[in-house]
Amino acid sequence: DVVLTQSPLSLPVTLGQPASISCSSSQSLLYTDGNTYLNWFQQRPGQSPRRLIYKVSIRDSGVPDRFSGSGSGTDFTLKISRVEPEDVGVYYCMQGTHTWTFGQGTKVEIE
Amino acid sequence: QVQLVESGGGLVNPGGSLRLSCIGSGFTFSDYYMTWMRQAPGKGLEWVSYISGTSSNRKYADSVKGRFTISRDNAKRSVYLQMNSLTVEDTALYYCGRSPIGTTDYWGQGTLVTVSS
Repeated sequence: DVVLTQSPLSLPVTLGQPASISCSSSQSLLYTDGNTYLNWFQQRPGQSPRRLIYKVSIRDSGVPDRFSGSGSGTDFTLKISRVEPEDVGVYYCMQGTHTWTFGQGTKVEIE
Repeated sequence: QVQLVESGGGLVNPGGSLRLSCIGSGFTFSDYYMTWMRQAPGKGLEWVSYISGTSSNRKYADSVKGRFTISRDNAKRSVYLQMNSLTVEDTALYYCGRSPIGTTDYWGQGTLVTVSS
């Protein structure tokens, strides 16, 4: 199975400052159709996961533009340009190119 | 708007069985793969299984293969997860999701399965 490794696993952030989460894959996530099925999900405390980003960098409707995704092949990044209080939660990368797998999750909390 | 509502969770003894259900609304149900995922208490997310719109393609995580069966009834806009030979490691909040290729764009609120004697 494809292993997704996120770092860091815990991310204390200052309000208004940027934050970045890395997701590294054990195999390339480029599919035969030319797409890369790398997703980012946010899970706020007590809530179901919510998709933020799909196909590496496409933001879902209603997701603030302070969230951005980038990367290719095996290395991907989620960036928050300026952290807001409502961004507290756990962030997961997930790949749908091979048998689906999730990263371990990165807990974002306010310093 | 898209809604997914799971049901069927509960407390079951090790070795027992349970059948989860998820009903979808707000979209053409038969057009989409549907997925089950789970989250053990205090842990991360784990993909469990998915099924194509016509039920012709089904896939399972190794951790549940041979014990869990996914199915769907498009007329009832429902997807099911039959879980047999349950172990304590299957204790989790089970989510269903609507799944375009390579992703899940909507999640339900989850149904809790507790396996304990």
